[in-house]
Amino acid sequence: QKEVEQNSGPLSVPEGAIASLNCTYSDRGSQSFFWYRQYSGKSPELIMFIYSNGDKEDGRFTAQLNKASQYVSLLIRDSQPSDSATYLCAVTQTGANNLFFGTGTRLTIIP
Amino acid sequence: SQTIHQWPATLVQPVGSPLSLECTVEGTSNPNLYWYRQAAGRGLQLLFYSVGIGQISSEVPQNLSASRPQDRQFILSSKKLLLSDSGFYLCAWSASGELFFGEGSRLTVL
Repeated sequence: QKEVEQNSGPLSVPEGAIASLNCTYSDRGSQSFFWYRQYSGKSPELIMFIYSNGDKEDGRFTAQLNKASQYVSLLIRDSQPSDSATYLCAVTQTGANNLFFGTGTRLTIIP
Repeated sequence: SQTIHQWPATLVQPVGSPLSLECTVEGTSNPNLYWYRQAAGRGLQLLFYSVGIGQISSEVPQNLSASRPQDRQFILSSKKLLLSDSGFYLCAWSASGELFFGEGSRLTVL
């Protein structure tokens, strides 16, 4: 069983629409959750992190966490072509010093 | 502000040759340091992490090794590369949970 699962996509969204990216995780003890954006050929960059159940908003991005369902999501409002990238979900796990990453969802914004 | 640099950015090496990738962090003290590998079409695989000078934890047994000779320096090495070592190598640091990545080193083993 994979620790962190994401739909690999590709996910195609029209420009200006809301993109919804989802992630599930297996360790109920996970406390911290992160979303990274990775452009092709580049390294991942941190977009958002969330620790508590509920929503956290930062500009056009909203992270949502539901620990009971072991589910975390990222919403991108007013999607732009520059949002086209692979989005990686990462979570901490009990007793570990590192983050566990999903394989990523490839998002394409269609002009 | 904190910055992280790794080099070289790209390298092509023959099978059986040695490898050395270097990573340095500036603007922070005693960071946790990590080496990840990302193979084509696959997720990030943790190779090594370090919580201090000389302290290395290996996550995947293989022909790679890591060293941390100074607080903000992390080196990934191999004595003899395999074809399967090809990939995108990422150094990262953290202080409070979130990871910040270097620019990456793309290794092709032929």
